[in-house]
Amino acid sequence: QVHLVESGGGVVQPGESLRLSCVASGFTFSSNSHHMQWVRQAPGKGLEWVAHIWYDGSIIYHADSVKGRFTISRDTSKNTLYLQMNSLRPEDTAVYYCAKLAVAGTWVSKWGQGTLVTVSS
Amino acid sequence: DIVMTQSPDSLAVSLGERATIHCKSSQSVLYNSNNKNYLAWYQQKPGQPPKVLIYWASTRESGVPDRFSGSGSGTDFTLTISSLQAEDVAVYYCQQYYSTASWTFGQGTKVEIK
Repeated sequence: QVHLVESGGGVVQPGESLRLSCVASGFTFSSNSHHMQWVRQAPGKGLEWVAHIWYDGSIIYHADSVKGRFTISRDTSKNTLYLQMNSLRPEDTAVYYCAKLAVAGTWVSKWGQGTLVTVSS
Repeated sequence: DIVMTQSPDSLAVSLGERATIHCKSSQSVLYNSNNKNYLAWYQQKPGQPPKVLIYWASTRESGVPDRFSGSGSGTDFTLTISSLQAEDVAVYYCQQYYSTASWTFGQGTKVEIK
């Protein structure tokens, strides 16, 4: 059974950094069909795609709202997905979900439970 | 970016009645080479992560009750709950995965019991 467990959320001040992790299990993390994403949801708001990474890390995409500040990466040896978040802003406050795509570049077949990031002075 | 617009923002339906949610994309999400619509529907219950219901606009995910159905093509899509159950109270989102490097969601539709 596929499991995605996020960690690393917390309360930080504007301008600070945070690194989120997502440990994956129940599937072959390095398989060429397992692209991964981060999707966030601000309190009481809708879903916003944040970043995407290919199965081997060779291609990555970031939303314009986080480009230049956030970086998605993955460590296949640790079955772990990361999101390095720098220069955090209050508008980055959200639950961040780790997500596994069903087929390369398509819909999300599995979501983690999410980790809350709060940016506040 | 492809903008996804859902309507209505919320609706209240009696138990056993039909619920219909619309989703419109700012450009076609139909990929001509394979004749597939790159659109998914998700359900999110309070305090839970989303869960996929429908992909390729009309293919039901394994385990999803058959009262959920998706239809439409090009830019206009519909999610129908044929007979609303209490456990269907949730927010529903459409999402396009046509645009490589920019996945976008609709703003969500909240479904409640009347």
